[in-house]
Amino acid sequence: GAVVSQHPSRVICKSGTSVKIECRSLDFQATTMFWYRQFPKKSLMLMATSNEGSKATYEQGVEKDKFLINHASLTLSTLTVTSAHPEDSSFYICSAREDTVQETQYFGPGTRLLVL
Amino acid sequence: SQQGEEDPQALSIQEGENATMNCSYKTSINNLQWYRQNSGRGLVHLILIRSNEREKHSGRLRVTLDTSKKSSSLLITASRAADTASYFCATGNTNAGKSTFGDGTTLTVKP
Repeated sequence: GAVVSQHPSRVICKSGTSVKIECRSLDFQATTMFWYRQFPKKSLMLMATSNEGSKATYEQGVEKDKFLINHASLTLSTLTVTSAHPEDSSFYICSAREDTVQETQYFGPGTRLLVL
Repeated sequence: SQQGEEDPQALSIQEGENATMNCSYKTSINNLQWYRQNSGRGLVHLILIRSNEREKHSGRLRVTLDTSKKSSSLLITASRAADTASYFCATGNTNAGKSTFGDGTTLTVKP
């Protein structure tokens, strides 16, 4: 099946610093990728839809200046958490939708962010 | 609130038993998908069922969809300890271009 990778898998940073998370589709092209946030024992909350070559579409309540998304190529989207605070600590998961078969999303393994 | 809501929230069974999880949703959909998530990991796609389908099978998995009741069920037959995970349903709407997830069912299969 299609593979999506995320890097890093785990990151610890100090409050006030910025953290970049990469999401790559390894064996398919993805015009559209999605970024989710998941709290412990909770469901995935869609943060934004990342569109290659255009601006991301953010869900209501998600600060676009706080969570910067760049989808520069058909296989790479990045999420940058700017000026991170402890409340940003969470599990961030990306998914990619294959251009040829648009119904299914393939998920990355997730990135655990801990802000001290 | 979430579009998909799973029921029950938690389920504990013995190995070899069947596990049934339900998902209800509120608006019209084009498809519904079930995913599995092991603790601290990403989601693994299990099965997709389209709005014009009523039942689908994949190995030990059986999914049903009742669009009149806006509900779906996932049946895992002859469960194994390795099936222990959280299971999520996600509704897909082609016009919206995105899927919406329920809160999930945590399944524990005791050996």
